Amino acid sequence: QKEVEQNSGPLSVPEGAIASLNCTYSDRGSQSFFWYRQYSGKSPELIMFIYSNGDKEDGRFTAQLNKASQYVSLLIRDSQPSDSATYLCAVNDYKLSFGAGTTVTVRA
Amino acid sequence: SQTIHQWPATLVQPVGSPLSLECTVEGTSNPNLYWYRQAAGRGLQLLFYSVGIGQISSEVPQNLSASRPQDRQFILSSKKLLLSDSGFYLCAWSIRTSGISGANVLTFGAGSRLTVL
Repeated sequence: QKEVEQNSGPLSVPEGAIASLNCTYSDRGSQSFFWYRQYSGKSPELIMFIYSNGDKEDGRFTAQLNKASQYVSLLIRDSQPSDSATYLCAVNDYKLSFGAGTTVTVRA
Repeated sequence: SQTIHQWPATLVQPVGSPLSLECTVEGTSNPNLYWYRQAAGRGLQLLFYSVGIGQISSEVPQNLSASRPQDRQFILSSKKLLLSDSGFYLCAWSIRTSGISGANVLTFGAGSRLTVL
């Protein structure tokens, strides 16, 4: 089993809709969780991190963590064409393990 | 503010040739430093990380090596490149923190795209 798994995508959503991205992880001891955005040909950039169960909101982004289910998600509200990118989930044990990413395309 | 520089940005190398990628961080001291590789359409694979000068941990056995000759300098090398070494190489840094908040937030350099022919 991979350490971090993401829904494979690609995910296509209309402009203004909510994009929902999911991530599961295998190590119950993981304590902090990250979402990165990577535009094509560029390096990843941090969107947000979360380490407590529940929701964390930052602008149009909401991260949700459920440690009992070993599940973390990212919601993008009011999706914009500029949100079109690959979203990487990362989980911290002693190092960051990344999922393979979910590619999101926002249709104008 | 902290910045991370990585070079060269792109390179095309023949099989069997050597490799040297360099990464430097400015505006911080004692960072954790990382080398990741991203193959086409794949996720990020951690290659090496370092918590201090001369301290290198290898995650994946391969024909690559890493060195940290100075606090804010991290170098990725190979004596003989393989076709499978092609990919997007990313250097990253994080602060060291004793607490959990923000632990291991990585900031990436712009990356080095390597094509081995």
